[in-house]
Amino acid sequence: IVLTQSPGTLSLSPGQRATLSCRASQNIYSSYLAWYQQKPGQTPRLVIYGVSSRATGVPDRFTGRGSGTDFTLTISRLEPEDFAVYYCQQYMTYPWTFGQGTKVEIK
Amino acid sequence: QVHLVESGGGVVQSGGSLRLSCVASGFPFSAYGIHWVRQAPGKGLEWVAFINYAGINKYYLDSVKGRFTLSRDDSKNTVYLQMDRLRTEDTALYYCAKDGNPIDSWGQGTLVAVSS
Repeated sequence: IVLTQSPGTLSLSPGQRATLSCRASQNIYSSYLAWYQQKPGQTPRLVIYGVSSRATGVPDRFTGRGSGTDFTLTISRLEPEDFAVYYCQQYMTYPWTFGQGTKVEIK
Repeated sequence: QVHLVESGGGVVQSGGSLRLSCVASGFPFSAYGIHWVRQAPGKGLEWVAFINYAGINKYYLDSVKGRFTLSRDDSKNTVYLQMDRLRTEDTALYYCAKDGNPIDSWGQGTLVAVSS
């Protein structure tokens, strides 16, 4: 399953809303879609699993939605610590695949 | 607290071999599968392989099938990734990661550099 994320880079200011898209080459059933956050020099961190469930400790400004082939991650009001690269990932079938990432940068 | 520590990375010539180790602690190791994910310098994440809790089910990225082999030793809380016939495109930081449906914990990674 190929995952295509858009845009490649999102330039926004703190307090703004970020909407990240992830499109799959085939339907992802049973909600096996996750989002990870990675900051420079750090390991990835699970943000969303099961399309819309927030991982432990993730603030409620992060919202995941979608079904079938189209998924979104929305950050309602960007905080300074949210600027990072975000990857979507499907875990419905092997080989697991990641999208190429969306970089959320400070404008 | 989950802790995963990778080791075994290094510089190797194309065609050579390396064995990566992932030592785990902080959770019941024998009850969980372990993934390997790699990240080439400046690039995105790429899932590489998975071994299930029993060591019976193993899955690999197509480009590493037949060259990489997973095994586990529950007495040592360790998963091994044997990498043979290495290619320059295998150069990356290799993370081991705990399966929590999906991955919920990551090690810090070990760097593999394959020279031509």
